[in-house]
Amino acid sequence: NAGVTQTPKFQVLKTGQSMTLQCAQDMNHEYMSWYRQDPGMGLRLIHYSVGAGITDQGEVPNGYNVSRSTTEDFPLRLLSAAPSQTSVYFCASSYPGSGELFFGEGSRLTVL
Amino acid sequence: GIQVEQSPPDLILQEGANSTLRCNFSDSVNNLQWFHQNPWGQLINLFYIPSGTKQNGRLSATTVATERYSLLYISSSQTTDSGVYFCAVLLMDSSYKLIFGSGTRLLVRP
Repeated sequence: NAGVTQTPKFQVLKTGQSMTLQCAQDMNHEYMSWYRQDPGMGLRLIHYSVGAGITDQGEVPNGYNVSRSTTEDFPLRLLSAAPSQTSVYFCASSYPGSGELFFGEGSRLTVL
Repeated sequence: GIQVEQSPPDLILQEGANSTLRCNFSDSVNNLQWFHQNPWGQLINLFYIPSGTKQNGRLSATTVATERYSLLYISSSQTTDSGVYFCAVLLMDSSYKLIFGSGTRLLVRP
């Protein structure tokens, strides 16, 4: 039972490069989301999705795109990476109404 | 919005000691989670405990929803317990945003 799987675990980018952080869950959860964690700022919600074909913005969506073509996958795209996007990114999923959120292991991104 | 506060902010224990971490929340909630973020940065679900008491090995948690607090007990602490412990409440709106406390940083010394 894999739960929530994120790839890659580590990535170094140069300013202006693009990349996609992958997130997949095998629990048939309708809800998925992306957070970033920065020192002193806690975890902040970037984007979320309540089901396939539906996405919405969280607290800090600028510079990130998402799509949800399947229930299982929720990729996070950085179109033109900036040093301010250096962070640890967490994907999470939940069954709506359950009240419990499950996290992936995190992806550490450094933008030079 | 809902506020989640944790205490103490930092805690240093000798291996084998017991400890209690506290989480206070400002509004009535029907969900509460405890997480452990280990030194490698992984966020590990410890308990989903909207009310009552649960135990898992050396860890147990109690939530008294009517009094708006939750407690995490760590008994016979081990060095592998080191890390940051977060409590969090899930907003039951369309965002399902998790509101985290600021965490308790625990260091267990051998």
